Amino acid sequence: DIQMTQSPSTLSASVGDRVTITCRASQSISTWLAWYQQKPGKAPKVLIYKASSLESGVPSRFSGSGSGTEFTLTISSLQPDDFATYYCQQYNSYSRTFGQGTKVEIK
Amino acid sequence: QLQLQESGPGLVKPSETLSLTCTVSGGSISSSSYYWGWIRQPPGKGLEWIGSVYYSGSTYYNPSLKSRVSISVDTSKILFSLKLSSVTAADTAVYFCARGLITNYYDSSAYYYFDSWGQGTLVTVSS
Repeated sequence: DIQMTQSPSTLSASVGDRVTITCRASQSISTWLAWYQQKPGKAPKVLIYKASSLESGVPSRFSGSGSGTEFTLTISSLQPDDFATYYCQQYNSYSRTFGQGTKVEIK
Repeated sequence: QLQLQESGPGLVKPSETLSLTCTVSGGSISSSSYYWGWIRQPPGKGLEWIGSVYYSGSTYYNPSLKSRVSISVDTSKILFSLKLSSVTAADTAVYFCARGLITNYYDSSAYYYFDSWGQGTLVTVSS
């Protein structure tokens, strides 16, 4: 099974900050990676698919990069609506696995 | 506008079978462009993929749950279902259904991510 490890687990930042979250896969997944945003009591919402493709309707301040085993999600200028938990998810294999999540908190 | 809605008992007794249904509206469950999946989230914890089903009935399950899980699709009723047997308190979670959008096929493998989700339903396992 492919394991996904995110870092950091928690991130404290201010509005306007540039934020980067890292996700590492236990083996190569090419670019078969998605990023989701989840707010309390809500379903996850996809932001990025295929490592760097922006889902329709998602603000351009979100971007993704990486391939193989190391990936990043970047928020170029953190907005009040962006305080949430972020998950990466691989879809390289028949099985799907999520990272453990990164909570972005207000500093 | 696609909508997915989970339904089923909110309370299940230990050792019994958890059964949930996801009703799809505003879209076709029979399209070759999608998989349909179940994901769960224990209170205060992260997301866990349970399994996925194709409109043809082909299924893929999380290896850690495979012995207890069954997912099926009913194209006539435009819904898919989850059954999880021999539940324990560790199966208490919010259960989400989701649509998996297939973006690529290579070597007969479908590459899909979850682009649309239901709101989730809390299932508590307790006597």
